[in-house]
Amino acid sequence: GQQLNQSPQSMFIQEGEDVSMNCTSSSIFNTWLWYKQDPGEGPVLLIALYKAGELTSNGRLTAQFGITRKDSFLNISASIPSDVGIYFCAGPTNNAGNMLTFGGGTRLMVKP
Amino acid sequence: EADIYQTPRYLVIGTGKKITLECSQTMGHDKMYWYQQDPGMELHLIHYSYGVNSTEKGDLSSESTVSRIRTEHFPLTLESARPSHTSQYLCASRGQGHNSPLHFGNGTRLTVT
Repeated sequence: GQQLNQSPQSMFIQEGEDVSMNCTSSSIFNTWLWYKQDPGEGPVLLIALYKAGELTSNGRLTAQFGITRKDSFLNISASIPSDVGIYFCAGPTNNAGNMLTFGGGTRLMVKP
Repeated sequence: EADIYQTPRYLVIGTGKKITLECSQTMGHDKMYWYQQDPGMELHLIHYSYGVNSTEKGDLSSESTVSRIRTEHFPLTLESARPSHTSQYLCASRGQGHNSPLHFGNGTRLTVT
C-alpha cells in the first residue's frame, strides 16, 4: 500500500525556535493533511491542503502541498512549550478519499 | 470541536476476557473508523464503516470485530483479550464530501495482563 515517510522522527528544540518537518510519498496524493496528537489524546486536524503548490497557514503553523504532489512540509514559527506532541501527515488511501494513511509521525519536544 | 466520544479512556483486564470499546458521535457522520496505535507510533486502520450495517476490515489485520447498528454508534469487541492486544484504540468519523476531515476521539488505552 501507499506509505508516507516523515522526517525527522523526533526533534528537541529550544523555545522560540522555528521548526520544519516534511512528509514524502512514492505516489501522488491529491490531499495532504497535518494532524497533531497531544499525549494521551486523539489526533487533531491542523491544516488540510487540496491543491499542488498550495500554501496554507493556521496561526504560527504553515503547511505547503508540494508541486510534485509527492511531498508536503509543515513549519512552526516561534515554538512554545504547548507545541510539544507528535505531528502526523496523512493522505487518502483510495481515489474516493474515504480512507487515510498516516505517516510515522514527528515527535516534537520543546525546551523552555 | 468534534463530538466523538470513546469509553473507557483506560482499561486494564486479564487475558481471556471479552471486552467492548465504545465509540459514539453526535455529528450524524456516515463514515466511522477504528485505528490501532502503539505509544508514539503511527496509526493503523483496523476497521471502517460507511454507514449502518456496513463494516469492513482495514489495512492491519485485527482479531477484533465491529458492528454498526446505529449511525452514531460503532463499538469494537475483543472476544478473548490477549497481551498482544495491548495498545491504544482510536475511533474517528467524517462527514460527506471528499474533503471532509477526520475527527478523532480521545482513544481507549487498553492493557491486557
